[in-house]
Amino acid sequence: AQSVTQLGSHVSVSEGALVLLRCNYSSSVPPYLFWYVQYPNQGLQLLLKYTSAATLVKGINGFEAEFKKSETSFHLTKPSAHMSDAAEYFCAVRSNTGNQFYFGTGTSLTVIP
Amino acid sequence: GAGVSQSPSNKVTEKGKDVELRCDPISGHTALYWYRQSLGQGLEFLIYFQGNSAPDKSGLPSDRFSAERTGGSVSTLTIQRTQQEDSAVYLCASSLSGLAGYEQYFGPGTRLTVT
Repeated sequence: AQSVTQLGSHVSVSEGALVLLRCNYSSSVPPYLFWYVQYPNQGLQLLLKYTSAATLVKGINGFEAEFKKSETSFHLTKPSAHMSDAAEYFCAVRSNTGNQFYFGTGTSLTVIP
Repeated sequence: GAGVSQSPSNKVTEKGKDVELRCDPISGHTALYWYRQSLGQGLEFLIYFQGNSAPDKSGLPSDRFSAERTGGSVSTLTIQRTQQEDSAVYLCASSLSGLAGYEQYFGPGTRLTVT
């Protein structure tokens, strides 16, 4: 069985501060992991993905995530938050033995000026 | 290039009516997914199409829900005898391949309101 847990449904950071959005997964087989962002009134866009290559993955808009197998985590970070980063962020997992992507419930990021 | 498109963008219907939601995937994408996003919830998988293979319908919540994909391209999600709990945003996504490492490209969604 596979699942994704995103700790913190709402996260607030000051502009310029570190962004840390947490994602833990469960998967009985090596996973493929994804972070998507959903801006207000828009569809989901891919930020980055892990597909068993480098454990530190760099994405768009300065975001990156590190796959830690021992912690079953794939946390999303950005060194310095920008006002335009305010959005809903979703972590997703998929294995190579099934068709489904399993999404977390999302984390809403607010950036305070 | 053109992304995934969905129509209508908004649909208001009365309880008990049938609705059809349409998805136009990116040209050449063999995999197509439908999800439901309810307020405050994550994405709930509904159905998956891959090429000419039989679809994975394991996520459909009841037999009132069905979907088809014609000619390996356009897909229609049909909800019969709509209920208020069907109110949600229905998202369609396509992927170049059904293999696990390929990301999905999402449409803007159809917001369904059942009154």
